[in-house]
Amino acid sequence: GAGVSQSPSNKVTEKGKDVELRCDPISGHTALYWYRQSLGQGLEFLIYFQGNSAPDKSGLPSDRFSAERTGGSVSTLTIQRTQQEDSAVYLCASSLARTSDSPLHFGNGTRLTVT
Amino acid sequence: QKEVEQNSGPLSVPEGAIASLNCTYSDRGSQSFFWYRQYSGKSPELIMSIYSNGDKEDGRFTAQLNKASQYVSLLIRDSQPSDSATYLCAVNPLWSGGYQKVTFGTGTKLQVIP
Repeated sequence: GAGVSQSPSNKVTEKGKDVELRCDPISGHTALYWYRQSLGQGLEFLIYFQGNSAPDKSGLPSDRFSAERTGGSVSTLTIQRTQQEDSAVYLCASSLARTSDSPLHFGNGTRLTVT
Repeated sequence: QKEVEQNSGPLSVPEGAIASLNCTYSDRGSQSFFWYRQYSGKSPELIMSIYSNGDKEDGRFTAQLNKASQYVSLLIRDSQPSDSATYLCAVNPLWSGGYQKVTFGTGTKLQVIP
C-alpha cells in the first residue's frame, strides 16, 4: 500500500515568506508526528497528533510555527515569516497507535531552504 | 536527563566484524523498542522491534532488551560497508488507550571500514 506522502519534496523560499508543508499519512494511521532535522543533526520533535487533536505541541520552536490535521488524515505544517534558521528537512511520520507495538513510518521529507 | 540516550559516535568497525550499538532509556514504563536506520540524506526506516526481555534475531541483526537495566542494544554481525548509517533508538510508553508519544534518541553513526 501507499506510504507516508509529503509535499513538496523541496521548497526554496525567501526570508519573510510563509510556507505550507503537507503530510498525507498511511490510511488508518491515527498518530501523526512532525520532526525537523538539520544537516548532520538528530530528529527534533515538533508536534504530535492523535486523530485531529495535538496532545503535544511542545516542540514547536516559536509562534511562527503552527500545524493542523483535518479528518484524522492530512496534516499541514505552516511556517510564517520564514527565517534562515528554519532551513532543514521536515519529516512527517505516522503510526497505527492502537497498541504499544506500533512503529512509525516516515515520509521522504520536505527539504526547506530559506534564502 | 535525556529520556533516550545513545552515543553519537562515530562507531568505526572493520568489514566483517560485529557492530554493537547501545541505547538507555529513563522511563521504566516503556513498553516497546525500535531500531531505525537512516542513511545520509534519507528518511529513517524501521529495521528491528523488540517488546520483551532477551534477544530477537533477524538475519544479521540481533536486538537485545534488558528492562531491569533499562537498556536496549542492536548487534550487526558480519558488518558490511552498506550498513554505514545512523542508527536511531526509539521507545514507546505503555499504551493507555489514548495519548502515546514515541521518543527517539539522537542516533549513533556507524562507519564500516572496507
